[in-house]
Amino acid sequence: EPEVTQTPSHQVTQMGQEVILRCVPISNHLYFYWYRQILGQKVEFLVSFYNNEISEKSEIFDDQFSVERPDGSNFTLKIRSTKLEDSAMYFCASSEAIHRGPDTQYFGPGTRLTVL
Amino acid sequence: AQSVAQPEDQVNVAEGNPLTVKCTYSVSGNPYLFWYVQYPNRGLQFLLKYITGDNLVKGSYGFEAEFNKSQTSFHLKKPSALVSDSALYFCAVSPQYSGAGSYQLTFGKGTKLSVIP
Repeated sequence: EPEVTQTPSHQVTQMGQEVILRCVPISNHLYFYWYRQILGQKVEFLVSFYNNEISEKSEIFDDQFSVERPDGSNFTLKIRSTKLEDSAMYFCASSEAIHRGPDTQYFGPGTRLTVL
Repeated sequence: AQSVAQPEDQVNVAEGNPLTVKCTYSVSGNPYLFWYVQYPNRGLQFLLKYITGDNLVKGSYGFEAEFNKSQTSFHLKKPSALVSDSALYFCAVSPQYSGAGSYQLTFGKGTKLSVIP
């Protein structure tokens, strides 16, 4: 069964450094998402991406964040200058299409980002 | 803005007994509702969703959920719990299509289900 994959599983970085989190969505999916979960808190929407551009973004997704689909398979989240409060589990998700209602979003296993 | 409440941080149930994990929601218009499960060190796995139609939705691994519009609830149920059902369960809601090109999910904080042998 196809699944969303994410690398790395755990990333440790120093405050102020740039990080890139990578995701490979399911191959025939068209919509891509990033969510994050700070330890002990809810899973929060960050951004959605379709047709090579951002569809929606939350208040969390400020100028420090960017997303890109550099080739036909990868979908990346870049944090330009990490802060301590960026420490969280980051989940990538993808869905096939939007029909009359939302297609199911399938999630990857997550990347745990630790900012020191 | 939409929101989801999962009033129980933890639910304990004996193996073989029925289980219920509660979820209530708040959204403008008709909701789209989802349940996901998370096993340790794994991502969120889709269980089931309600879009429209029958209020009782059947999903993976014998789970089902009942949409109750008057009570704004979408409780997850299973007639007979298994030890392997022990995991973290998340309810999520999406509003009607906003025209922005996607359906962002708003999650509850999760309920830890422990099935006792």
